[in-house]
Amino acid sequence: KAGVTQTPRYLIKTRGQQVTLSCSPISGHRSVSWYQQTPGQGLQFLFEYFSETQRNKGNFPGRFSGRQFSNSRSEMNVSTLELGDSALYLCASSLRGAPEETQYFGPGTRLLVL
Amino acid sequence: AQSVTQLDSHVSVSEGTPVLLRCNYSSSYSPSLFWYVQHPNKGLQLLLKYTSAATLVKGINGFEAEFKKSETSFHLTKPSAHMSDAAEYFCVVSANSGYALNFGKGTSLLVTP
Repeated sequence: KAGVTQTPRYLIKTRGQQVTLSCSPISGHRSVSWYQQTPGQGLQFLFEYFSETQRNKGNFPGRFSGRQFSNSRSEMNVSTLELGDSALYLCASSLRGAPEETQYFGPGTRLLVL
Repeated sequence: AQSVTQLDSHVSVSEGTPVLLRCNYSSSYSPSLFWYVQHPNKGLQLLLKYTSAATLVKGINGFEAEFKKSETSFHLTKPSAHMSDAAEYFCVVSANSGYALNFGKGTSLLVTP
């Protein structure tokens, strides 16, 4: 079974631009979560989607948004990029998103904002 | 709210010696706890998880962890370190609200020859 895939793997953007990241979950998984990883703040939860509905959202500004499609693939968008948005963005999938389930992580998208 | 504290930001061991990575948790009820490992420029890989079954949990690559409710701890151990174990290790708890994981700050494990 193929793992979680994320595209692109690397991105360079300038301040003020917007960016869209994509995540394809493991086949059969309907829950997709997004996390931001930075050296200073560590790993922080962005949001979680299940059956095209956002069920939970972390403490991030409204510039961060996401969506999920009917095939469970998910995208996240960051508008008006700031230097502090430079990070590794990780996507994870699980069957239903239940607390006891294992979350399977993708390799991440590394975003650099100049 | 559920949270975890990793007590050491860096741990250095010699190859062949035991590994101990410490984690304390805070939870209002029995939590689901995980240890993940991240090798450089790689994604996160699950080592093991505790979900209220056996308190001693065995994971991949010889790692294990013991859930101790009285001490609110979930320390990760391995009897003998290998060079390939050098990586960042994260203790993780499922959030009470569901659908999210709360990560510890991570412990960087260095294995010396």
